[in-house]
Amino acid sequence: QSALTQPASVSGSPGQSITISCTGTSSDVGGYNYVSWYQQHPGKAPKFIIYDVTNRPSGVSNRFSGSKSGNTASLTISGLQAEDEADYYCSSYTGSSSYVVFGGGTKLTVL
Amino acid sequence: EVQLVESGGGLVQPGGSLRLSCAASGFTFSIYAMSWVRQAPGKGLEWVSGFSGSGSGGSTYYADSVKGRFTISRDDSKNTLYLQLNSLRAEDTALYYCAKDLGSSWPVYYFDYWGQGTLVTVSS
Repeated sequence: QSALTQPASVSGSPGQSITISCTGTSSDVGGYNYVSWYQQHPGKAPKFIIYDVTNRPSGVSNRFSGSKSGNTASLTISGLQAEDEADYYCSSYTGSSSYVVFGGGTKLTVL
Repeated sequence: EVQLVESGGGLVQPGGSLRLSCAASGFTFSIYAMSWVRQAPGKGLEWVSGFSGSGSGGSTYYADSVKGRFTISRDDSKNTLYLQLNSLRAEDTALYYCAKDLGSSWPVYYFDYWGQGTLVTVSS
């Protein structure tokens, strides 16, 4: 069982927006603004797409945005494209001896 | 261009050992914190271990699941990160990724570059 809880799957049609949630506790997501998100296509390494809850690394499309409320962080993808179909993982710093924890991942299907 | 190339994975019996390597290029390796992250077949990501960059005293960090069994090290003269895996268990079976930390010196646990991974299979 992963430390952070994500929905197993979400789907949307091209052009639509979707949101993926990532729920933790006050010891991780809720306690720090150190949430990141990764995109992973099948058979590929993860790609870094969001850090510090809302920031996008250079080169990442502005269709990707992050937010947080309490113990839940969210990733929103607007203007869905076929290439967005992938697995998405959230991650958070934790004040425990585990240092950093990941969510279980969410499979995004573009219909 | 940043490149991370892992090697050293393979099939090992329970209780056995393995040493993974990660050759880095395209950035000033010594100043950045580095980590190992693993992914069991069909499963999610799990951070395993981290090593701080130069200027921070060579601090190491481990997930509770591997503490006392795995040892991370780095050779900045060779731009290489290592992970020594001892007392391996079936649940250690995974693709092991080497990942560059966004932060210099102290890890911030944001992984901005990843290798393609090396597969470790623990089975009798």
